Amino acid sequence: SSELTQDPAVSVALGQTVRITCQGDSLRSYYASWYQQKPGQAPVLVIYGKNNRPSGIPDRFSGSSSGNTASLTITGAQAEDEADYYCNSRDSSGTHRVFGGGTKLTVL
Amino acid sequence: QVQLQESGPGLVKPSGTLSLTCAVSGGSISSSNWWSWVRQPPGKGLEWIGEIYHSGSTNYNPSLKSRVTISVDKSKNQFSLKLSSVTAADTAVYYCAREQGIAAARFDPWGQGTLVTVSS
Repeated sequence: SSELTQDPAVSVALGQTVRITCQGDSLRSYYASWYQQKPGQAPVLVIYGKNNRPSGIPDRFSGSSSGNTASLTITGAQAEDEADYYCNSRDSSGTHRVFGGGTKLTVL
Repeated sequence: QVQLQESGPGLVKPSGTLSLTCAVSGGSISSSNWWSWVRQPPGKGLEWIGEIYHSGSTNYNPSLKSRVTISVDKSKNQFSLKLSSVTAADTAVYYCAREQGIAAARFDPWGQGTLVTVSS
């Protein structure tokens, strides 16, 4: 079982805002990073740290954190944002990395 | 820019040892980064396997620790994964990735991944 918990599936209407969450005790101490994965492709980093986007990631992607919950927000979701999203951080020991179970985002 | 490429056998027999290599190009494996292996069984989520620093220091997923060895070859600018006593449950796409940062740690970039099937 994962120490980071994500909702298995979330849907959003085209152009609307959606929040994908990741819960875990270790998030009180460590930042989460977020990855987008489309079918047949390797994961791609979309958000890391407090709220940092790698070059090439649209500014509709943003991150935030409060207590034991990290969130990835997509403001104005596009059809191409339909994908699986995974959070990652350290486990409670701080030594190991752990992924959330993933959230499948459907854009309606 | 740094690029990663996994290589190794796509088929491994049960009870055998899975061996993969990740070649690093466009940068040095001796830079201040950790280097990780991540896997994804068909239709399932991502699982972190372990990481290595160029000094040879390693950290492993506790659930796999007894079967995993990650090593680094600085002369070839690559790092490797060995997973012993494999079963069908180890069938997965295996990715290598660079870890950047400490406080704001992240995996970037990733290799394209390689499918390893455990079957007789």
